[in-house]
Amino acid sequence: EAGVVQSPRYKIIEKKQPVAFWCNPISGHNTLYWYLQNLGQGPELLIRYENEEAVDDSQLPKDRFSAERLKGVDSTLKIQPAELGDSAVYLCASSPNVEDTQYFGPGTRLTVL
Amino acid sequence: RKEVEQDPGPFNVPEGATVAFNCTYSNSASQSFFWYRQDCRKEPKLLMSVYSSGNEDGRFTAQLNRASQYISLLIRDSKLSDSATYLCVVNSGYSTLTFGKGTMLLVSP
Repeated sequence: EAGVVQSPRYKIIEKKQPVAFWCNPISGHNTLYWYLQNLGQGPELLIRYENEEAVDDSQLPKDRFSAERLKGVDSTLKIQPAELGDSAVYLCASSPNVEDTQYFGPGTRLTVL
Repeated sequence: RKEVEQDPGPFNVPEGATVAFNCTYSNSASQSFFWYRQDCRKEPKLLMSVYSSGNEDGRFTAQLNRASQYISLLIRDSKLSDSATYLCVVNSGYSTLTFGKGTMLLVSP
């Protein structure tokens, strides 16, 4: 069974540029999560979707970050404009339902210059 | 006080050693607890859930002490392949997982 797929794996951009990350969860998984992981830290939740509904986006910096999961399957996370401090690994995870084990994708490593 | 606290290490142990990690959490209403493993530049993967009665999976034993609000992970007979960062994870409600910073383990020959 395919795992969570994320692309791109690496992205280098200059500050103030926009950037987008894509995630395809495990087939059949209704719940999708976006996390941010800084070096030496654990992942921190940005947003959680149950199907196409964003049910927890309290930690998403809404002035520059946006996310969507229009058909309740794959999802995109966007930053516009990017700042130096956004350099981190952006992890996507999915689970069959909200109480189930979360499976993480390989992440997108973002470097903002 | 951070929600989930761990000693970042690194813990340097020889092969075959027994090593233990502890983790404390601040939210007494937390419902479920986990240990995740993260290899360098890889994604976190679930190692094991932690149950109130304690649980064992091969060389790994997890314990939960609700009264003191700490969780432990014991690894016996350490292997080189156990070298990784071990993340303590707490579900504090609403299915939101809170991760600790992780404890790095380095097992040497």
